Amino acid sequence: GAGVSQSPSNKVTEKGKDVELRCDPISGHTALYWYRQSLGQGLEFLIYFQGNSAPDKSGLPSDRFSAERTGGSVSTLTIQRTQQEDSAVYLCASTMAGKETQYFGPGTRLLVL
Amino acid sequence: GQSLEQPSEVTAVEGAIVQINCTYQTSGFYGLSWYQQHDGGAPTFLSYNALDGLEETGRFSSFLSRSDSYGYLLLQELQMKDSASYFCAVRAYSGAGSYQLTFGKGTKLSVIP
Repeated sequence: GAGVSQSPSNKVTEKGKDVELRCDPISGHTALYWYRQSLGQGLEFLIYFQGNSAPDKSGLPSDRFSAERTGGSVSTLTIQRTQQEDSAVYLCASTMAGKETQYFGPGTRLLVL
Repeated sequence: GQSLEQPSEVTAVEGAIVQINCTYQTSGFYGLSWYQQHDGGAPTFLSYNALDGLEETGRFSSFLSRSDSYGYLLLQELQMKDSASYFCAVRAYSGAGSYQLTFGKGTKLSVIP
């Protein structure tokens, strides 16, 4: 596609429910990143996929968070048993191999009530 | 780990020049990037410095001094549309073949008439 897409654009859920956030990277981009941004804050690294290598999960805040990338393309970030502090904008970015520019999607705004 | 410091807010007059500084502490430093983010929008890539010196792209320039662990973004001929948050981000080797991108908390630039 023309750019990185994410769905849903907004998600409201109740505390304790599981949510799945989807990212469709730019076709041909080998690297995919997930970040979290709280209101007025910087971007917090969550997880990084590079080609067929094992993902770098060092940024995941707890074992309630997990992500997978199927077929080297679409990625899903799953948050289990959501908590109110999980409320944030979740951003996905993709990068072409050997390039520095990260192309960000529009984000998913998650609100946990 | 990595840490970055940048001013939280800067105000400048339309048509003027503004410099946004970024200092960092990291191991495995690879390069410094700058991203722009308008309110409610996704971050967009502005520049990347891997080597010391100044990189110029139109009205925007970015500088890096690896020995000083310091960089800055220079915006010339400021326009109202430049009002946004600007993030510096360090690319560093985090082990196991992973090069993470760690973002600063951002500098909110307000351009006034």
